[in-house]
Amino acid sequence: KNEVEQSPQNLTAQEGEFITINCSYSVGISALHWLQQHPGGGIVSLFMLSSGKKKHGRLIATINIQEKHSSLHITASHPRDSAVYICAFSGSARQLTFGSGTQLTVLP
Amino acid sequence: DGGITQSPKYLFRKEGQNVTLSCEQNLNHDAMYWYRQDPGQGLRLIYYSQIVNDFQKGDIAEGYSVSREKKESFPLTVTSAQKNPTAFYLCASSGYNEQFFGPGTRLTVL
Repeated sequence: KNEVEQSPQNLTAQEGEFITINCSYSVGISALHWLQQHPGGGIVSLFMLSSGKKKHGRLIATINIQEKHSSLHITASHPRDSAVYICAFSGSARQLTFGSGTQLTVLP
Repeated sequence: DGGITQSPKYLFRKEGQNVTLSCEQNLNHDAMYWYRQDPGQGLRLIYYSQIVNDFQKGDIAEGYSVSREKKESFPLTVTSAQKNPTAFYLCASSGYNEQFFGPGTRLTVL
């Protein structure tokens, strides 16, 4: 069983919809990361969080440490949000263990 | 601008040849990492280094080697012992609150 499970694997939405991507993990962690990967392969760090909630523009990330669960929300989705979204947790040396990613496609 | 550079972006090699992937950062980070991505799979850790002249194996280190002679540089050598070297390779570094990633090198072994 993977230590990090993401759902859904694929998600198609219409522009303007509210989007939620879920991430569950099975071990104790120091921090959870949400990353964005574009078709060329480059990865951008969106959030690092260890408790509660963070917001950046239209993106919101939440984490529930007791339930070992995190969610990434996108409000008012736009076609430029189309990408692969990846959750990952940090180990003791800040090395990451990754989920398999969620392919998001936002249609105009 | 601070960041991580990887070169080249695309690399082709014949089977049986060793190849070295470059990773340089000017973020003054102590920790650096190499990850591998295969189609449809999550990224996996190959090697990491927390300080100059020290590094540790990750989950899939077999067939790879690294060095960390300078803080800025963490090159990865894909040896002929790596059975399936064709993949996308990402280098990363870590500050206290954030992870930074290079643009990646796509290696194809023919």
